[in-house]
Amino acid sequence: DTAVSQTPKYLVTQMGNDKSIKCEQNLGHDTMYWYKQDSKKFLKIMFSYNNKELIINETVPNRFSPKSPDKAHLNLHINSLELGDSAVYFCASSQDGRGFYGYTFGSGTRLTVV
Amino acid sequence: KQEVTQIPAALSVPEGENLVLNCSFTDSAIYNLQWFRQDPGKGLTSLLLIQSSQREQTSGRLNASLDKSSGRSTLYIAASQPGDSATYLCAVSMTTDSWGKLQFGAGTQVVVTP
Repeated sequence: DTAVSQTPKYLVTQMGNDKSIKCEQNLGHDTMYWYKQDSKKFLKIMFSYNNKELIINETVPNRFSPKSPDKAHLNLHINSLELGDSAVYFCASSQDGRGFYGYTFGSGTRLTVV
Repeated sequence: KQEVTQIPAALSVPEGENLVLNCSFTDSAIYNLQWFRQDPGKGLTSLLLIQSSQREQTSGRLNASLDKSSGRSTLYIAASQPGDSATYLCAVSMTTDSWGKLQFGAGTQVVVTP
């Protein structure tokens, strides 16, 4: 299946821990994104990579560090997790850097920090 | 700063009725607009993508219109079915952004009762 896939689907962890979320797309798209959906269901962009290069870095704490080892993968590492980091994190991709053909989203990773 | 608003926040209709979902945006310099569907605990499914130069897009029972000058898009779903129950999100990308990123509305939660 051609898709954007994220792992894990659920993540429950204690405050202060470090965790990673992985994302892979097999659509051949050039650009990948991380979005955060908070408790009020609002989706906001965090980061974007185009061909492994960071192109969008919104106001996100330094504890969040994205990494793109290749065009098909974009991972999100979070250090020193806080209660406020609890949210659903979505990975997305687009064929080009402007999103002319639209965006494809993964199924999300629900992160719960306790 | 672009603001995307979706009204109503929630909507309940009996099966067979047509659905009309509204999306408004404050800055008309949009690059394109995309409608998504989100099912509980799941990712976003793309429904329709409208480029800024287009007035509408259709797919099956779905029709989305775009009026850039008035800052509005409307998603019509004909002859609603219980399977249409979901949250519907609209999102815009801007011509003023060098790279694509989506700005989302808060969504309209739809319940179609049998």
